[in-house]
Amino acid sequence: DSGVTQTPKHLITATGQRVTLRCSPRSGDLSVYWYQQSLDQGLQFLIQYYNGEERAKGNILERFSAQQFPDLHSELNLSSLELGDSALYFCASSPRTSGGYNEQFFGPGTRLTVL
Amino acid sequence: GQNIDQPTEMTATEGAIVQINCTYQTSGFNGLFWYQQHAGEAPTFLSYNVLDGLEEKGRFSSFLSRSKGYSYLLLKELQMKDSASYLCAVSPNYGQNFVFGPGTRLSVLP
Repeated sequence: DSGVTQTPKHLITATGQRVTLRCSPRSGDLSVYWYQQSLDQGLQFLIQYYNGEERAKGNILERFSAQQFPDLHSELNLSSLELGDSALYFCASSPRTSGGYNEQFFGPGTRLTVL
Repeated sequence: GQNIDQPTEMTATEGAIVQINCTYQTSGFNGLFWYQQHAGEAPTFLSYNVLDGLEEKGRFSSFLSRSKGYSYLLLKELQMKDSASYLCAVSPNYGQNFVFGPGTRLSVLP
C-alpha cells in the first residue's frame, strides 16, 4: 500500500458524460501527478500540481481539467467523454517538486469505461 | 523532445537472470527510475540511479551510463511472480514529471 488513495476504483459511464476522479496523496506529500494508461499502452503524463498550483502539463486534452485543493487532495475532471477515454487513470504523489530524489508513489488507479 | 526506448516483450525461465535495457534521449536528466507493474495494478518503485554505475538491491540491480543515455535492470533468480511489465522512467528536470518508456512485458516460464 503506497499511501495514495483514489476513488472510485471503477467507473462506467456513457459517451458525452462528465466524471470526476479523486486522489488523496500520501501524508506530507505536496506534489500530485495524474497519468493515463490505455490498454497495452505506456503511462502518459497528464498534469502535475504542487501545493495547490499547476506545475507541469503533459498530453492533457482540453476536455480534461484538474485541480489541487488546500487539503492537497486532487480531482481530475473528464468531460464530453469519448470511447477512447476508456483507460486506467493513476494518481501519484511525491514529497517535493524540486531538488534531487523525487520518487513518485502511485495510487491503485481508477478504471474508467466509456460505453 | 523526450524519447525512451525499451524492448516490448521478453521471456525468461524461472531461476535465470534477465537484463532489460532502456535507452533515453531527454532534454535534461535528474535521475532514472525503474518501476514494476503487474497487469491492472499500480506501478511500484524498484530502483533509482542518478550517477553512473550499478545500484544493487537484493535480486534486482540497475545500471546507468549517462554519457550513453543507457540503463538496464538486472533481475536474478527469477521467480514466477516477477512476470510483469517493467517501466523505465526519466526525470528530465528538478521536480518535473517523469517521462515513462513504453514498458517491457516480462514473462517468466517454469
